[in-house]
Amino acid sequence: EAQVTQNPRYLITVTGKKLTVTCSQNMNHEYMSWYRQDPGLGLRQIYYSMNVEVTDKGDVPEGYKVSRKEKRNFPLILESPSPNQTSLYFCASSWGSRDTQYFGPGTRLTVL
Amino acid sequence: AQSVTQPDIHITVSEGASLELRCNYSYGATPYLFWYVQSPGQGLQLLLKYFSGDTLVQGIKGFEAEFKRSQSSFNLRKPSVHWSDAAEYFCAVGAVRNNDMRFGAGTRLTVKP
Repeated sequence: EAQVTQNPRYLITVTGKKLTVTCSQNMNHEYMSWYRQDPGLGLRQIYYSMNVEVTDKGDVPEGYKVSRKEKRNFPLILESPSPNQTSLYFCASSWGSRDTQYFGPGTRLTVL
Repeated sequence: AQSVTQPDIHITVSEGASLELRCNYSYGATPYLFWYVQSPGQGLQLLLKYFSGDTLVQGIKGFEAEFKRSQSSFNLRKPSVHWSDAAEYFCAVGAVRNNDMRFGAGTRLTVKP
């Protein structure tokens, strides 16, 4: 089944404790992206990747890192999480930046 | 960079009534336009998209949208709403000149029986 998976689905952590949210897709898509969703703000793009080893900042990249060492994986790293990063995070993949994006189920992160 | 506005935060319609959700974008060239739907607790699913050609686009679940360049709009319509259409709807815009994607704040649709 074609899908985008994210782990964990729920995470509660404390300020400053490094964490990684994994994202994997099995569709051989080249374009992958991370978004955060906050009430009243919709989805805001954090980082995207056009292909392996090619990443670029989206609208709200501060406080986040990403890597794309393999085509299928695109982890989101929070080196020192802060409470303002409490949000619902979505990973998405597509063939290109202008193609239909397929979204993962979301990761709800709470930073205390 | 491109941007998108969804003026209506929340809309309530009766089942069987028609629906129009508004989307306005800002971009200097022809954008790539999308409508996504998010059911409660779910990820997003594409309803339809516009790249070029016919300005009236048909999507899944009986939805359609019309691109109006003069009004910088891409409104989503459905002639008869079903209770299962209750969800949050997002308009998104991509650009020719870059690879990022901008989403609107979303419109939450409530369907009354």
